[in-house]
Amino acid sequence: TQLLEQSPQFLSIQEGENLTVYCNSSSVFSSLQWYRQEPGEGPVLLVTVVTGGEVKKLKRLTFQFGDARKDSSLHITAAQPGDTGLYLCAGAGGSQGNLIFGKGTKLSVKP
Amino acid sequence: NAGVTQTPKFRILKIGQSMTLQCTQDMNHNYMYWYRQDPGMGLKLIYYSVGAGITDKGEVPNGYNVSRSTTEDFPLRLELAAPSQTSVYFCASRKTTSGGNEQFFGPGTRLTVL
Repeated sequence: TQLLEQSPQFLSIQEGENLTVYCNSSSVFSSLQWYRQEPGEGPVLLVTVVTGGEVKKLKRLTFQFGDARKDSSLHITAAQPGDTGLYLCAGAGGSQGNLIFGKGTKLSVKP
Repeated sequence: NAGVTQTPKFRILKIGQSMTLQCTQDMNHNYMYWYRQDPGMGLKLIYYSVGAGITDKGEVPNGYNVSRSTTEDFPLRLELAAPSQTSVYFCASRKTTSGGNEQFFGPGTRLTVL
């Protein structure tokens, strides 16, 4: 059974601080995605990483896929209150490419 | 495009009642999914479909049924509601592509079984 461990589960920081969220597994994934979910809404895709060692930047967000394609990280620079939400990592595996989701990191950025 | 739409938004059921959660997508996606999300537990796959007429079980299918008669619609049926089925349900879809598996999610249905 493929599992994705996400850490930390909760994170409360002040505006302007930096943070990193981790997503780890013992399994190899063909691709890994990061989603952001706001209260009362469905998750929305932020990024997909496919190649081992790949780094993608989305404004103040930096995503990295591990060389062995088993882990990933999300780094936010100078966090803002608008970054508040639930961040979910999801790995694609199996014959149908179904997603395995981590339990999520609930981020709160205070002004 | 409206994307993925779900109805109802909220529902309260009594134990033993049945209901159907509706899901429709207008993006002509082949793949559709039903997930449940419990606090602190991420998303668990209930059922999925790779095209009209084809459905398969996910990680937590017990107590649920699905059908896929058209590309657009993928309803989820609860026959005998139980308190353990209290959750937020999300429907999602994706087109068949290589190199990525982006799924588009609906806004969710919050179900309470009392």
